[in-house]
Amino acid sequence: SQQGEEDPQALSIQEGENATMNCSYKTSINNLQWYRQNSGRGLVHLILIRSNEREKHSGRLRVTLDTSKKSSSLLITASRAADTASYFCATVPPQYGKLTFGKGITLSVRP
Amino acid sequence: DGGITQSPKYLFRKEGQNVTLSCEQNLNHDAMYWYRQDPGQGLRLIYYSQIVNDFQKGDIAEGYSVSREKKESFPLTVTSAQKNPTAFYLCASTLGQGPGEAFFGQGTRLTVV
Repeated sequence: SQQGEEDPQALSIQEGENATMNCSYKTSINNLQWYRQNSGRGLVHLILIRSNEREKHSGRLRVTLDTSKKSSSLLITASRAADTASYFCATVPPQYGKLTFGKGITLSVRP
Repeated sequence: DGGITQSPKYLFRKEGQNVTLSCEQNLNHDAMYWYRQDPGQGLRLIYYSQIVNDFQKGDIAEGYSVSREKKESFPLTVTSAQKNPTAFYLCASTLGQGPGEAFFGQGTRLTVV
């Protein structure tokens, strides 16, 4: 079973625009993470937000977490063509153990 | 350089054969994971191990086996019981037994011929 579900499945924007991606999950979490994957490569960790945090920033990335709605969003500001990739959210249960991924969002940034 | 290494990058298997995918890490991480990625399916967890000599089934363990005899190594065997093994396989590791940031290998693409 996949805990997280990202939305939209695909997103196409112009360079310089902001990209917003959403993730919803079903059960309680210890933390939620976002990853990026370039085509045919391994995943790269972007940011981790704990269940007691509401917002985190890292460079052009902003992540929010709403545990009451069981949802998170990833905002990439001032997007670049190099941001073109697939983005995944992953959740960790309170008891640790499994790191479970969603199906991902394909982001295309047009130059 | 610290990291996680998967080999080989491409692997071809005849139907009915078992194959073993290698995953090695020199990050001194406790936990290691195997995922399968199919187009449109995202990453699905096959097996994970939080400590040496212990591992747990993930969501799609049928047709796969693993071992964790050393902290650095977590090989995955795709057995002939796995009916649709063609996929992209990813190995990951995390520090400690509770997942924080996961480090991924570059993946092995397995094709059944």
